[in-house]
Amino acid sequence: SAVISQKPSRDICQRGTSLTIQCQVDSQVTMMFWYRQQPGQSLTLIATANQGSEATYESGFVIDKFPISRPNLTFSTLTVSNMSPEDSSIYLCSVGGGNQPQHFGDGTRLSIL
Amino acid sequence: KQEVTQIPAALSVPEGENLVLNCSFTDSAIYNLQWFRQDPGKGLTSLLLIQSSQREQTSGRLNASLDKSSGRSTLYIAASQPGDSATYLCAVTINTGANSKLTFGKGITLSVRP
Repeated sequence: SAVISQKPSRDICQRGTSLTIQCQVDSQVTMMFWYRQQPGQSLTLIATANQGSEATYESGFVIDKFPISRPNLTFSTLTVSNMSPEDSSIYLCSVGGGNQPQHFGDGTRLSIL
Repeated sequence: KQEVTQIPAALSVPEGENLVLNCSFTDSAIYNLQWFRQDPGKGLTSLLLIQSSQREQTSGRLNASLDKSSGRSTLYIAASQPGDSATYLCAVTINTGANSKLTFGKGITLSVRP
């Protein structure tokens, strides 16, 4: 299975600032997924990132708030913009899907003061 | 809209007990179902994947079953150990190909007492 590395593993940020989360995979993959896990809640898909095209956002998530880059087949970034305390969550990237298991990175634990 | 439910939210059992974790989903038109384990401060580890055409999958002490028509899955853990303590999440895939979207339950936090 793919090995997924996320950076940073955790951060504490001031409200109104932005943070970019990096996701690196040890093999080339077509699709990468970004999820959010709010405290006490299930994981929710933010967007699907395909290399060479615009990310596809789920209902309730917009590109201005969560811009995503996908410059190649092994790397993606998610930016959380203009952060507020409600953005305090765990953000996870994953790969796989279809008839294959999805595999996740260890996540980025984000706290907004 | 697909909804995935896992009840109870938490479970505590003594070591050695066989146990069953339940998962239900509202829309039976799923492509597959996956069980994950999440340890504190960690990401998700894939445990078992059951395709919609399958009834069960086994890995070691774990056995997952799927009854798609009734919208249910169970994860059976045999001879539980303290190392099995974690949060177990189930998720269903409702599309394929370009949008393999997982819909998750909130998870069951399992504590296995020595």
